[in-house]
Amino acid sequence: GNSVTQMEGPVTLSEEAFLTINCTYTATGYPSLFWYVQYPGEGLQLLLKATKADDKGSNKGFEATYRKETTSFHLEKGSVQVSDSAVYFCALSLSSGSARQLTFGSGTQLTVLP
Amino acid sequence: DVKVTQSSRYLVKRTGEKVFLECVQDMDHENMFWYRQDPGLGLRLIYFSYDVKMKEKGDIPEGYSVSREKKERFSLILESASTNQTSMYLCALQSGSYEQYFGPGTRLTVT
Repeated sequence: GNSVTQMEGPVTLSEEAFLTINCTYTATGYPSLFWYVQYPGEGLQLLLKATKADDKGSNKGFEATYRKETTSFHLEKGSVQVSDSAVYFCALSLSSGSARQLTFGSGTQLTVLP
Repeated sequence: DVKVTQSSRYLVKRTGEKVFLECVQDMDHENMFWYRQDPGLGLRLIYFSYDVKMKEKGDIPEGYSVSREKKERFSLILESASTNQTSMYLCALQSGSYEQYFGPGTRLTVT
């Protein structure tokens, strides 16, 4: 079946540090890949996406590249801020019958200290 | 902007009660989803609906049912709430480009 594996957290960084959150996937077919972010007390928000191999998604200084050869979609940011503290979810989407379902990783809690 | 509204942010119910969680969208999207979120498990799909009165089971449908009588409203029903259904419940809708947009969530506690 389809699955997403994320690096376990929690991750604690100082402000302006470099961030990497690893994500690998297993899927039959060619999924679209997503990163979602959940700030405290809120629902999930789409952060970025990539729909085919070698695509790079980017938003708010975050980037992730769809690597088919390594089945990975690692999230990176060059300089994190305190406001980036949140839970980050990697997800994949494949057609399944009547709707494209999302399969999520378990989430990675990021805390950025001033 | 896409807006997904959930009827309650926090809910406390007793074991055995029937519980309704409501989700409303302000667009015309067909596909809507109910997830539960638990620490260390990420989000797990309970049910989804691809049109009025149409539904499909997700990965963990046991103990839940759903209702979609109008396009804009998708309800999750716990027929007889149990303590293991204490969780965060998230509703989402899917746009034409397959992204999902989430509501703020309902934190349900069953005592």
